Amino acid sequence: GAVVSQHPSRVICKSGTSVKIECRSLDFQATTMFWYRQFPKQSLMLMATSNEGSKATYEQGVEKDKFLINHASLTLSTLTVTSAHPEDSSFYICSARDLASGPYEQYFGPGTRLTVT
Amino acid sequence: AQKVTQAQTEISVVEKEDVTLDCVYETRDTTYYLFWYKQPPSGELVFLIRRNSFDEQNEISGRYSWNFQKSTSSFNFTITASQVVDSAVYFCALNVRGSQGNLIFGKGTKLSVKP
Repeated sequence: GAVVSQHPSRVICKSGTSVKIECRSLDFQATTMFWYRQFPKQSLMLMATSNEGSKATYEQGVEKDKFLINHASLTLSTLTVTSAHPEDSSFYICSARDLASGPYEQYFGPGTRLTVT
Repeated sequence: AQKVTQAQTEISVVEKEDVTLDCVYETRDTTYYLFWYKQPPSGELVFLIRRNSFDEQNEISGRYSWNFQKSTSSFNFTITASQVVDSAVYFCALNVRGSQGNLIFGKGTKLSVKP
């Protein structure tokens, strides 16, 4: 089956620093990847849609200058949290669409738990 | 607008009991997909089922079964003879054709199965 990896799985950073999270589709090409954020005991909320070779589309209320998304290849999208603050601490999950398997197939990565101290 | 409602925030049962998790969705589109995911404490989402809007047949997979009723816009999930390993948060989600393809999640139901 299709596999999506995320790296790192867990990261702790100091307030004011930046942290990059990678999302990779290991055995398929993903023209579209989605980034979700999940606060403790809450649901997953879409942050942005990342399309290979073009700018990401951000959901309302998500600061695009703070959450930089780059989808430079068909197998890799990155999310960079710039100038992180404690309120950015959350669980970040990516998913990747495998169009070869059908328009509604998407696979989730294992998530990255970010803690900002 | 699309929306998924999981009215049960938390459910606690004793092992071997049957339990049903409710999911009600809203969409004006006629083509859509419904999903259920399990999220154990580790956080990783585990895919359970995908159902398209044109297939209302109920599905059974081992101890799991799903009841899809378009008349009530519901896609309920039943675990038969629950086990401690079933303890997790369960999310129902909706994907609508013509959208950018992301999933719209319900708030989730935390299931605790006690021995």
